[in-house]
Amino acid sequence: DVKVTQSSRYLVKRTGEKVFLECVQDMDHENMFWYRQDPGLGLRLIYFSYDVKMKEKGDIPEGYSVSREKKERFSLILESASTNQTSMYLCASSLLGGSYEQYFGPGTRLTVT
Amino acid sequence: KNQVEQSPQSLIILEGKNCTLQCNYTVSPFSNLRWYKQDTGRGPVSLTIMTFSENTKSNGRYTATLDADTKQSSLHITASQLSDSASYICVVSAYGGSQGNLIFGKGTKLSVKP
Repeated sequence: DVKVTQSSRYLVKRTGEKVFLECVQDMDHENMFWYRQDPGLGLRLIYFSYDVKMKEKGDIPEGYSVSREKKERFSLILESASTNQTSMYLCASSLLGGSYEQYFGPGTRLTVT
Repeated sequence: KNQVEQSPQSLIILEGKNCTLQCNYTVSPFSNLRWYKQDTGRGPVSLTIMTFSENTKSNGRYTATLDADTKQSSLHITASQLSDSASYICVVSAYGGSQGNLIFGKGTKLSVKP
């Protein structure tokens, strides 16, 4: 079974703090993704990566950066957290190519106060 | 503009009843269509994935249909159970472009009552 794990289920941070969200997958997938999910807006892609050290911006990259130093690990970084980044963050992974299924992690609910 | 519209936004049914969720899309060029189930506070889990040439796919009590001509899909749930209470998300993938090119619907929230 594919397993995608995220470092925290719940996180509370203060405005201006630097926040790291980590995602690990155990299926040797090339692609990894970071989404945020907000009520009424659905899932929106922040960044994705198709290889180590490679990344591409998604629909809403502003205020975020990512790091992929190892194939199995993909980190999302909020350089200076703001209240409008309060959201559910979901990581996903898939094989290379656009037609393969994405496997999602359990999500991290981040609250920025 | 590529879009995926789902209806209804929410639905309440009694346990044991059947229901059908709808997904209309304007995505081109079409690659595949996926249905995901998302329990509250959890990540989405794949139910089905269909390519252009497939018009029906089942996964237990879940049956997805695809009409590529009218650009419509439906997810039919048979003999609903309390555990079917969740959001159901329709996702369409387009050929070409980047590998992050999935278009997500906003989901249908299903509540199954005893």
